Amino acid sequence: EPEVTQTPSHQVTQMGQEVILRCVPISNHLYFYWYRQILGQKVEFLVSFYNNEISEKSEIFDDQFSVERPDGSNFTLKIRSTKLEDSAMYFCASRDRVSSYEQYFGPGTRLTVT
Amino acid sequence: AQSVTQLGSHVSVSEGALVLLRCNYSSSVPPYLFWYVQYPNQGLQLLLKYTSAATLVKGINGFEAEFKKSETSFHLTKPSAHMSDAAEYFCAVMGSGAGSYQLTFGKGTKLSVIP
Repeated sequence: EPEVTQTPSHQVTQMGQEVILRCVPISNHLYFYWYRQILGQKVEFLVSFYNNEISEKSEIFDDQFSVERPDGSNFTLKIRSTKLEDSAMYFCASRDRVSSYEQYFGPGTRLTVT
Repeated sequence: AQSVTQLGSHVSVSEGALVLLRCNYSSSVPPYLFWYVQYPNQGLQLLLKYTSAATLVKGINGFEAEFKKSETSFHLTKPSAHMSDAAEYFCAVMGSGAGSYQLTFGKGTKLSVIP
């Protein structure tokens, strides 16, 4: 069964460093999402991406964040200068078409900023 | 704006007992509602969804949920708990208006099943 994959599973970085979290959505899907979950808190929407551009973003998704689909298969989330409060589990999700509401989630990347 | 409240961050049931996980939502448009399950070290897996068809929705692994508009609720039930049901469960709402169809999640309920 097709699945969303994410790498790495765990990333440790120092405050101020740039990180790139990678996702490979399901191959025929068209809509892509990033969510995050700070330990003990809700899963929160960050950004959605369709047709090679951001379609919606939350207040959390500030100028430090960017997303890209560089090669037609990968979907990346970049944090330019990490802060301690960026420590969280980051989930990628994808969806195949407008009439399908189901989002398929990857296993997540745990980001630890020290 | 949409929101989801899950009552009880941790629920314990005995094996074979009824599972009831509560979810209330707030939405300014007719909602689509979802329950996801997360097993340790895994991603979020869709259990079931309500998208304005039948109000009683059946999902995988014997779970079902009933959409009650008057109570703004979408509680998850399973008649008989199994040890393999131990996991964290998330209720989520999606607005049916124009937009990216982002999900708004509740804080999750961790289900423990006692043998």
